[in-house]
Amino acid sequence: DGGITQSPKYLFRKEGQNVTLSCEQNLNHDAMYWYRQDPGQGLRLIYYSQIVNDFQKGDIAEGYSVSREKKESFPLTVTSAQKNPTAFYLCASSISGTFASGYTFGSGTRLTVV
Amino acid sequence: GESVGLHLPTLSVQEGDNSIINCAYSNSASDYFIWYKQESGKGPQFIIDIRSNMDKRQGQRVTVLLNKTVKHLSLQIAATQPGDSAVYFCAVVVTDSWGKFQFGAGTQVVVTP
Repeated sequence: DGGITQSPKYLFRKEGQNVTLSCEQNLNHDAMYWYRQDPGQGLRLIYYSQIVNDFQKGDIAEGYSVSREKKESFPLTVTSAQKNPTAFYLCASSISGTFASGYTFGSGTRLTVV
Repeated sequence: GESVGLHLPTLSVQEGDNSIINCAYSNSASDYFIWYKQESGKGPQFIIDIRSNMDKRQGQRVTVLLNKTVKHLSLQIAATQPGDSAVYFCAVVVTDSWGKFQFGAGTQVVVTP
C-alpha cells in the first residue's frame, strides 16, 4: 500500500543535540512538506520541497534543516539552534501542481527535549 | 498573511446528534478548502474538500458548506458517533501559494454517550 512513513514515532533529544526525523513516501509524489504542531495551534510549515534537490523555507525554518536527495525521502534535522523543539512533527506529500484531496500525511513524530 | 480560525476549541456533542464545526478565513483569493480529522497521536486524515465555485458538498455523513461572502466554511457531521471524537481542522489554499495550506488551530470534538 502507498503511503508516508515517519520514524521514529517518539524521539527524545538532549540539550545541544541535533536529531533527524525520517520521512519516506512511496506515492510517487513530487512535493513534500514538514509541519510542526503545538497544542492549540494550527500546523506551521517548516520546510517544503517541490522537486528533488530543491527545497524552500516555510514560516518557521529557523533551527531546522532538510535535504531532498531522493524523491522518496525528505528528512528533517532539528538542530541545537532550535530553542523550543518539543512538538509533534508531521510530514506530508502531494502530487506536484495539483491540490486534489490535499496532502497525504504521515503519522507523526513526537519530539521531546529531556 | 492568511488568517484561518476556528470558532470553538472544544465541541461536546451527544452520540446521535449532529455536529457543526466552523472555520473562518480572511483571504478572498482562497479557492480550495479541506477538512481534516486528526485522532490523538496520529496524522490528519482527509475528510472532504470543496472548491470556491461550490457552496455545498456532501460525503458520507459529512457536509461542507462554503459562504464566500462572509469567508466562512463549516463541517457538518450527521448522527455523530464515538469514532468521530477527534480534532477537526480546516485548511485553506490560496491559489498562488503552490500547494501550501494554511491550517486552523482545530476543534476538539468530544462525543458523549
